[in-house]
Order: sequence, then C-alpha cells, then structure tokens
Amino acid sequence: EVQLVQSGAEVKKPGESLRISCKGSGYSFTSYWISWVRQMPGKGLEWMGRIDPSDSYTNYSPSFQGHVTISADKSISTAYLQWSSLKASDTAMYYCARPLGTMIANDAFDIWGQGTMVTVSS
Amino acid sequence: EIVLTQSPDFQSVTPKEKVTITCRASQSIGSSLHWYQQKPDQSPKLLIKYASQSISGVPSRFSGSGSGTDFTLTINSLEAEDAATYYCHQSSSLQGTFGQGTKLEIK
Repeated sequence: EVQLVQSGAEVKKPGESLRISCKGSGYSFTSYWISWVRQMPGKGLEWMGRIDPSDSYTNYSPSFQGHVTISADKSISTAYLQWSSLKASDTAMYYCARPLGTMIANDAFDIWGQGTMVTVSS
Repeated sequence: EIVLTQSPDFQSVTPKEKVTITCRASQSIGSSLHWYQQKPDQSPKLLIKYASQSISGVPSRFSGSGSGTDFTLTINSLEAEDAATYYCHQSSSLQGTFGQGTKLEIK
C-alpha cells in the first residue's frame, strides 16, 4: 500500500526548534516529489514548498521561504519540515503530500499523510 | 502568485440536491485545476484531476468542468456523507495554490 506516515503531534514553546517527518512506503520514494501543506486552525490549505528526494532540490512558496526548511533523507525514504525558531503563528496542522505523476513537480496530490499538529504556546 | 477564488464560501443543502461549486483563477491555468474533499479531522482527498478527469474510487456523482480561468465542481444527488469542505488547487505554476474552500452543510 502506498502511504505517507507523519510523525506525531508536537507542543513547543516560542523560539524552540522543531523538525517533523513524513515517511513514504509502498513506492519508489525518489521517483516522486514531496510537498508540504499548512492548515491553520479553522482555515484553508496553503502550499508551503516541495522537495525532489532524489537530489534534495527544493521549491518554496514566497510566503514560507526563509521561515521553514524542507529536506529529505532518501536512504530512509523520509522528508522533513523544520523550523529554527517557532512562533505562535506556526500553530497549525501540517500535511505532506505526493503528486500523481513520477518526477512531476506540479501535479495533483493523490497521496496525503495523516497530518502533524504543531502547537506553539508559552 | 495565481489566486483561486471559490464560491460560495458556505452552502447548506438537502440530500439529493444538485450542488455546484465554482473556482475562478486570477489568470489562465489551462486545465491544471484539481478538486479535493476534506472532512473534519481527515486529510484532503483528491476528487477530480485536471479539471474534469475522474479519480478511481470516487463516486460518479462528482464531476468537474472548465478550463482557462473558470471551473466547476458538480455533485449530483447529494448524499449525507458529502458534508465536507471542498478545495480547488492549481498546478499550472511552480507555486501551487489552493482556493479558500467551500463548506457544504447537509440539512
């Protein structure tokens, strides 16, 4: 079964760092880009950025460039989203998602992780 | 950035009713428009790809149409299980964007 399994919920304080993960299984991890999508409480979906796990090339939305870092470790089929200094406004559900087509950066997302809830509060 | 604007934001409908949700792009995106359904506490689910192409396993009452800047998701004969928020998403530009969502409430 093709799936993306994300790490568990996190509760952090402002200023702390964090890395959440997304592990792919059931397919060739290096053949598909992985995107990250934010959903703030009660709000809509926002595309944050993507990574090509085969070479770790990344694209970011201007809204998130410089605020988060997307990385991947192809040896363990895992993509990451990390923050160096969290803010309360980073409180949200974060999803990883895989596109339909192989080696296609821009595509519909047919596989989604279950989401990781990040809560940032003092 | 390509902006997607959905209408309506909210709709209350009765079972068996036909529902139409529209998505307008700020510039032409060809057919690179996809639709998702998100139920409370669940991940989004792909319903329609490339404006009108069906997805295996998705009920046939869901259909899509449009191209360029104007797109429509139609749900024929609405069922209670269709209560959800629906999002459009464009993959025409390198920076993907989503519409703000349309929440469907079943009366």
